[in-house]
Amino acid sequence: GQSLEQPSEVTAVEGAIVQINCTYQTSGFYGLSWYQQHDGGAPTFLSYNALDGLEETGRFSSFLSRSDSYGYLLLQELQMKDSASYFCAVKGRTDSWGKFQFGAGTQVVVTP
Amino acid sequence: DVKVTQSSRYLVKRTGEKVFLECVQDMDHENMFWYRQDPGLGLRLIYFSYDVKMKEKGDIPEGYSVSREKKERFSLILESASTNQTSMYLCASRGGRALYEQYFGPGTRLTVT
Repeated sequence: GQSLEQPSEVTAVEGAIVQINCTYQTSGFYGLSWYQQHDGGAPTFLSYNALDGLEETGRFSSFLSRSDSYGYLLLQELQMKDSASYFCAVKGRTDSWGKFQFGAGTQVVVTP
Repeated sequence: DVKVTQSSRYLVKRTGEKVFLECVQDMDHENMFWYRQDPGLGLRLIYFSYDVKMKEKGDIPEGYSVSREKKERFSLILESASTNQTSMYLCASRGGRALYEQYFGPGTRLTVT
């Protein structure tokens, strides 16, 4: 099975940088995904890392270190619209493709 | 754009009722999923289907069943609703080459009284 840990809440001001960490324990590892969910909305896919290193997509970047069982999502130049919950999700190598395990989510609060 | 729709945004049912939650996707995806989302617990997988009439239990299947008679439609059934099934239910689909990317519906907030 898997377990994931991420902080429950992070608060930052507009224009700042926020890093959301995700540590995981899996029986084997395949990849780490990140999703964003606004209040009342559907989760939407942000990024996926299967290999070590940084993946950049605009203001958001995602990092993975397989040796440390650790990843993070970096939100740069924070905007008010970035206020949302962010979930990491992992798939273990021995799990079927249906079984992604999601973290409990990190609520990001952006203040003016 | 992929579209995943769910039959209701809000639903109120009584204890013991049989409840059907419907999900439809328009991208010909092979895989479909049902999750429930509760505060502090994140998304927990109830069931998923990897093809028509094919299903696999997730982490919390007790009290639920599913049906997938057509590729685009995946139904979640609560045979006898209980108050501890009050939750947000999210449907998702996945297909093509992006095996790690799921597309979610808007969710159904179910209240069982």
